[in-house]
Amino acid sequence: GQQVMQIPQYQHVQEGEDFTTYCNSSTTLSNIQWYKQRPGGHPVFLIQLVKSGEVKKQKRLTFQFGEAKKNSSLHITATQTTDVGTYFCAEIQGAQKLVFGQGTRLTINP
Amino acid sequence: ETGVTQTPRHLVMGMTNKKSLKCEQHLGHNAMYWYKQSAKKPLELMFVYNFKEQTENNSVPSRFSPECPNSSHLFLHLHTLQPEDSALYLCASSGGRGKETQYFGPGTRLLVL
Repeated sequence: GQQVMQIPQYQHVQEGEDFTTYCNSSTTLSNIQWYKQRPGGHPVFLIQLVKSGEVKKQKRLTFQFGEAKKNSSLHITATQTTDVGTYFCAEIQGAQKLVFGQGTRLTINP
Repeated sequence: ETGVTQTPRHLVMGMTNKKSLKCEQHLGHNAMYWYKQSAKKPLELMFVYNFKEQTENNSVPSRFSPECPNSSHLFLHLHTLQPEDSALYLCASSGGRGKETQYFGPGTRLLVL
């Protein structure tokens, strides 16, 4: 199956700064899901994007799916210490095979 | 969150031991999954069960043996593991109709000595 590449691997910001993580694929993605994993925790589903150019917002989080459906991004505005964790993008290939990106680990200086 | 539970939460075993990981979901789902999360690799899908039938084996070595007796329970039997098998093993479940949200359990942190 195709790989989903995610960058950056790590990001450290000051509290209040913005944060963005990107997922890219060389081939068209059928969908993108985003998960958050807190330190010592397990992945928790955030959102799913399916349509070309789709943009969804959850409070300070904005999720985008590229027009060509080959990339996606998660942007957090004005980070808070509760945003700390690793953010993963993932694509469902076939009916149920979830293929994850490498994740972006976000740390925040209060 | 107690929708998906896993036991034990931590496990230390020798390379000659046999142990089993257990997962139980209380969400009425029909699909269950095993994932491996190690420090230097992305989350890797290992097995998928849908309505108790295995539908995906992601080239997992035979020293890992899954069992799904019903839609609510999933086991991962371990024998003659290697130190590189040390990782966090996560169970997940979903409705079973395809392209759905997956709900993860807390994981079992496994150390193979």
